[in-house]
Amino acid sequence: LAKTTQPISMDSYEGQEVNITCSHNNIATNDYITWYQQFPSQGPRFIIQGYKTKVTNEVASLFIPADRKSSTLSLPRVSLSDTAVYYCLVGANQGGKLIFGQGTELSVKP
Amino acid sequence: GAVVSQHPSWVICKSGTSVKIECRSLDFQATTMFWYRQFPKQSLMLMATSNEGSKATYEQGVEKDKFLINHASLTLSTLTVTSAHPEDSSFYICSARDIRGETEAFFGQGTRLTVV
Repeated sequence: LAKTTQPISMDSYEGQEVNITCSHNNIATNDYITWYQQFPSQGPRFIIQGYKTKVTNEVASLFIPADRKSSTLSLPRVSLSDTAVYYCLVGANQGGKLIFGQGTELSVKP
Repeated sequence: GAVVSQHPSWVICKSGTSVKIECRSLDFQATTMFWYRQFPKQSLMLMATSNEGSKATYEQGVEKDKFLINHASLTLSTLTVTSAHPEDSSFYICSARDIRGETEAFFGQGTRLTVV
């Protein structure tokens, strides 16, 4: 399973755009990249998933370069409620297990 | 999105007793469910993969006789912590993937276990 590396923590202010980059140098051909958000004492919540190029949904965008060795989660105009831990996971679908890395603790300040 | 429900949300038990945690997929079927454990300020650690109708697959270092997993149906998996000790106190989280092969995994809300 591909290992992921993310910054341990990031600080931001309300209204700013936040970009969290994840490295996954040994990603396999059939691996997808998935980002989850976790608040204290809650289970992770799905944010976005992609395979290549750019994916956008109502809460975030995911940018994946051509070599797929990294990915960037972009959160537009963050608010205090976006303070959480964000995990980047890489793995095959169709039932493949998901291994969590250390995650990035995002702190949004007023 | 799909819903995975865990029960109970929290439990306190005495040392030496056993505790069962349920994980249900409410609006989809899952042949595979996953159990994680999370200590404070740490990431989720995969404990085992629960397969419907067959034995669970445990990660290295996880005692299968202590953490009993049963996946009796396509919507229910249970984790039983046997002879619990204070060091088993943790946040236990399950996840499941849709049998139809949908791409994302859904997580339960977690169960806070405190062994006293």
